[in-house]
Amino acid sequence: QQQVKQSPQSLIVQKGGISIINCAYENTAFDYFPWYQQFPGKGPALLIAIRPDVSEKKEGRFTISFNKSAKQFSLHIMDSQPGDSATYFCAASKTDKLIFGTGTRLQVFP
Amino acid sequence: DSGVTQTPKHLITATGQRVTLRCSPRSGDLSVYWYQQSLDQGLQFLIHYYNGEERAKGNILERFSAQQFPDLHSELNLSSLELGDSALYFCASSVVWGLNSEQFFGPGTRLTVL
Repeated sequence: QQQVKQSPQSLIVQKGGISIINCAYENTAFDYFPWYQQFPGKGPALLIAIRPDVSEKKEGRFTISFNKSAKQFSLHIMDSQPGDSATYFCAASKTDKLIFGTGTRLQVFP
Repeated sequence: DSGVTQTPKHLITATGQRVTLRCSPRSGDLSVYWYQQSLDQGLQFLIHYYNGEERAKGNILERFSAQQFPDLHSELNLSSLELGDSALYFCASSVVWGLNSEQFFGPGTRLTVL
């Protein structure tokens, strides 16, 4: 019930393309769904987050889509750039205890 | 730079030993969280302290313990180390507790147990 399943494990996208990463959860008590970006040798950094009372949140080229009934949420990166190449983690939380997905390694080629 | 500092950056030790990892949160942050990142287990929540008090425990082994001091820095103590404890250990901090406020992660301590 505490798991967050993330797919795909890795993703290769051409510059300018759309990157899509999906996550699913079981615990309906989760009330906060952040996405973190991690570059090699660095700690994760918050990219964008959503709460279950909205179905979509957009910040620049990054959009979270949230489907409460399906218990799924996804990250869309529009106009993907080589600088977006990193590992992306979805997470779910109830009162600050972040449960992370397994991560997606994104590579954007010029 | 998140403003969270962790020392040391790298630590190499032997099985059976004890080590202490140190974390200084961002100025003004009262919450400190510890996470373990390994290839087989991914990023796992270990423990959360708020203003010196333990608030939540995750998958933390009994051989591991943590504390948060009056100046709000935190230490994670790992004892009777095993090969499987080799991992990246991250500390994160946030301003408050219970409101899912943004957690800022430090650069991590890479622990290698030989």
